Amino acid sequence: KNQVEQSPQSLIILEGKNCTLQCNYTVSPFSNLRWYKQDTGRGPVSLTIMTFSENTKSNGRYTATLDADTKQSSLHITASQLSDSASYICVVSQNDYKLSFGAGTTVTVRA
Amino acid sequence: SQTIHQWPATLVQPVGSPLSLECTVEGTSNPNLYWYRQAAGRGLQLLFYSVGIGQISSEVPQNLSASRPQDRQFILSSKKLLLSDSGFYLCAWGWVKETQYFGPGTRLLVL
Repeated sequence: KNQVEQSPQSLIILEGKNCTLQCNYTVSPFSNLRWYKQDTGRGPVSLTIMTFSENTKSNGRYTATLDADTKQSSLHITASQLSDSASYICVVSQNDYKLSFGAGTTVTVRA
Repeated sequence: SQTIHQWPATLVQPVGSPLSLECTVEGTSNPNLYWYRQAAGRGLQLLFYSVGIGQISSEVPQNLSASRPQDRQFILSSKKLLLSDSGFYLCAWGWVKETQYFGPGTRLLVL
């Protein structure tokens, strides 16, 4: 069964601090891995998308890494802001139609 | 630029009543369209996807159905809602192996 496991389930950080979210997957074959940010009650918004050959990709203060050999990815948030409070979802794609979603990590940034 | 609309934003329906959720996309042609459901604290679950007018693929057996009467219109329906149909319904559009863009979502509560 193709699975995407995210950890931690939730975390609380102080504004200005960094944090790293983890994603482990067993999906095969693998096409690409995406990180989405979902604000409460809203649709997810894409942060990064990485193919098999890409090890890292940045989008502002968000940096995603991918190790396709160990089937692990991480999302690093630098200098967190209150607006970073959201759920972060790891999505692994076999093809355009077959996406496996993680349950997400809920990040709460406090002043 | 492309935009995606969903309505209604919130819906409360009694068990056994019919359902119709609508999704429209602007600014693009012949996109792939998707319906997802997100239960509280759970990952997104793909319900249906469509690669063209009248072409619907179902991922999960259920009492829901989908239709694509026009290129940029995607409708999710049910003849008789169940309590288990409650959730957050998201429509998305995208291209093969590219990012999917999500709508604002419809929160459905079946009582």
